[in-house]
Amino acid sequence: AQSVTQLDSQVPVFEEAPVELRCNYSSSVSVYLFWYVQYPNQGLQLLLKYLSGSTLVKGINGFEAEFNKSQTSFHLRKPSVHISDTAEYFCAVRHYGGATNKLIFGTGTLLAVQP
Amino acid sequence: SAVISQKPSRDICQRGTSLTIQCQVDSQVTMMFWYRQQPGQSLTLIATANQGSEATYESGFVIDKFPISRPNLTFSTLTVSNMSPEDSSIYLCSVVPEGDYGYTFGSGTRLTVV
Repeated sequence: AQSVTQLDSQVPVFEEAPVELRCNYSSSVSVYLFWYVQYPNQGLQLLLKYLSGSTLVKGINGFEAEFNKSQTSFHLRKPSVHISDTAEYFCAVRHYGGATNKLIFGTGTLLAVQP
Repeated sequence: SAVISQKPSRDICQRGTSLTIQCQVDSQVTMMFWYRQQPGQSLTLIATANQGSEATYESGFVIDKFPISRPNLTFSTLTVSNMSPEDSSIYLCSVVPEGDYGYTFGSGTRLTVV
């Protein structure tokens, strides 16, 4: 069975500092990996996705993530955060080639950017 | 990517009543998904809705409580039946546009049961 672990429930960081949000997954087969952002009182927006190829994936708003198969990780990074990046971030995994295509979410990490 | 219109955006309902949530997509999609996000929690998949067949429910969710319709390739409804305060959540529909791998989500329905 697939599962996603986001160890940090909340990450406080000062504006313009770098940040890394951690995500680990478990699966016995190949997976697709995603990061979503949810701003307060809004729906989910896709930040970036890893399907295949280059392990470094660039997304919107200056975010990037690196797929590490040996460590089963897909950590999200941004070199310099802004106040507007304050939001909940969800890592998600989907079984490659699965019949149902269902997306399994981690518990989320609240990124709290302080001035 | 697909654009999803979800209605209503929010509602306050009395316990014991039912609410039907609509999800309209601007393109044809094979699968639609319904998720629940309880306050301060992550998203949990309720069911997968395929056109022309019964929905597939995840463990802990049953058809009597969450009946789903999928009359065509662009529309689905989720009903939350016999509501209790524990059903207070955000309900979101999601699709995978044809030829894409990224899931698109509706803006959600914020349900409060009193």
